[in-house]
Amino acid sequence: DIQMTQSPSSLSASVRDRVTITCRASQSIANYLNWYQQKPGKAPKLLIYAASTLQRGVPSRFSGSGSGTDFTLTISSLQPEDFATYYCQQTYSSPRTFGQGTKVEIK
Amino acid sequence: QVQLQESGPGLVKPSETLSLTCTVSGGSVSSGSYYWSWIRQPPGKGLDWIGYIYYSGSTNYNPSLKSRVTISVDTSKNQFSLKLNSVTAADTAVYYCATLDPSSSDAFDIWGQGTMVTVSS
Repeated sequence: DIQMTQSPSSLSASVRDRVTITCRASQSIANYLNWYQQKPGKAPKLLIYAASTLQRGVPSRFSGSGSGTDFTLTISSLQPEDFATYYCQQTYSSPRTFGQGTKVEIK
Repeated sequence: QVQLQESGPGLVKPSETLSLTCTVSGGSVSSGSYYWSWIRQPPGKGLDWIGYIYYSGSTNYNPSLKSRVTISVDTSKNQFSLKLNSVTAADTAVYYCATLDPSSSDAFDIWGQGTMVTVSS
């Protein structure tokens, strides 16, 4: 199985901060990497697929980059509604695997 | 727009079979546009992919659960289902159904609201 490791596991940030979350795969996955946002008690929501393509309806302050084994999710200016947990997921091979999550909290 | 809704018992006894159904609205399980998927999330933990099925009946399961899982599709009811047998407390989780979209890097782009299943006697 491909292991996905996110860092940090949690972070504290203020509104309007720039936030970066990293995701590392245990082997190369090309650009087969997706990002999800999950708020408490809710289902995850797809933000970015294929490492850098913004899902329709997702604000442009979210962006993704990377290929191979190292990927980043960036929120350019954190908004109150962005406080949530973020997960990366690889779709390069089966079984599909997720990172352990990064919780973004209010400073 | 496709919408998904999970249903099924919230409490299952150890060693018994967990059975959940996902009802699809706003689209057809026979459309061929999606793979119909199940994902779970133990309390306070991360996401685990269980498996998916295509309308043709072809399936792909997580090897960690493969011996206990069956995913099926009922085109007449526009539903797909999950059965997980011989459950233990470790199977306690929120279970989500979701669409896997091959045109979006196989991302899970539409999710149900999730249903909590507790395994306890």
